[in-house]
Amino acid sequence: EAQVTQNPRYLITVTGKKLTVTCSQNMNHEYMSWYRQDPGLGLRQIYYSMNVEVTDKGDVPEGYKVSRKEKRNFPLILESPSPNQTSLYFCASNDRTSEAFFGQGTRLTVV
Amino acid sequence: DAKTTQPPSMDCAEGRAANLPCNHSTISGNEYVYWYRQIHSQGPQYIIHGLKNNETNEMASLIITEDRKSSTLILPHATLRDTAVYYCIVRVANAGGTSYGKLTFGQGTILTVHP
Repeated sequence: EAQVTQNPRYLITVTGKKLTVTCSQNMNHEYMSWYRQDPGLGLRQIYYSMNVEVTDKGDVPEGYKVSRKEKRNFPLILESPSPNQTSLYFCASNDRTSEAFFGQGTRLTVV
Repeated sequence: DAKTTQPPSMDCAEGRAANLPCNHSTISGNEYVYWYRQIHSQGPQYIIHGLKNNETNEMASLIITEDRKSSTLILPHATLRDTAVYYCIVRVANAGGTSYGKLTFGQGTILTVHP
């Protein structure tokens, strides 16, 4: 089954404590992206990757890092989380001919 | 990518057709119209897309006007499980490069299907 898997689904952490949200896809897609969703602001792209070792900033990249060492994985790293990064996060993947597939989301709370 | 305009909310009776409009008056010739929906706080789900011809799949139909400045997503027999936020997105699909990796979401239309 075509799938994008994010972990964890829910996370509560404290300000400044580094965390990583993992994302994995099983469709051999070239493109992977991270979005955050906030009330009234909709879904906004954080970072995207066009292939292994190729990443670029989206609309709201501040405070986030990503890496793409393998085609299937695209982790989102918060080096020093702050309360304004409390949000619902989605990972997505697609290739040139397919629609985007989204993960089930990670609800992050930073206190 | 072109901007889209959708009504903020719509209601539909269960079993009836739901017709969700979208305006995209600045769409370019190489931009497709995509529809996604998001049920509660789940990940967005692809529904359908098209360039200029009407399209139909097992979920819905997409009607694009001849001038391509607007489109309508049709759920032929809405059920309670179709209650969701529906997003209309236009994006370049054949230009290569970064365009494939980004979807620009607006506020969408909250569709409520009632018994």
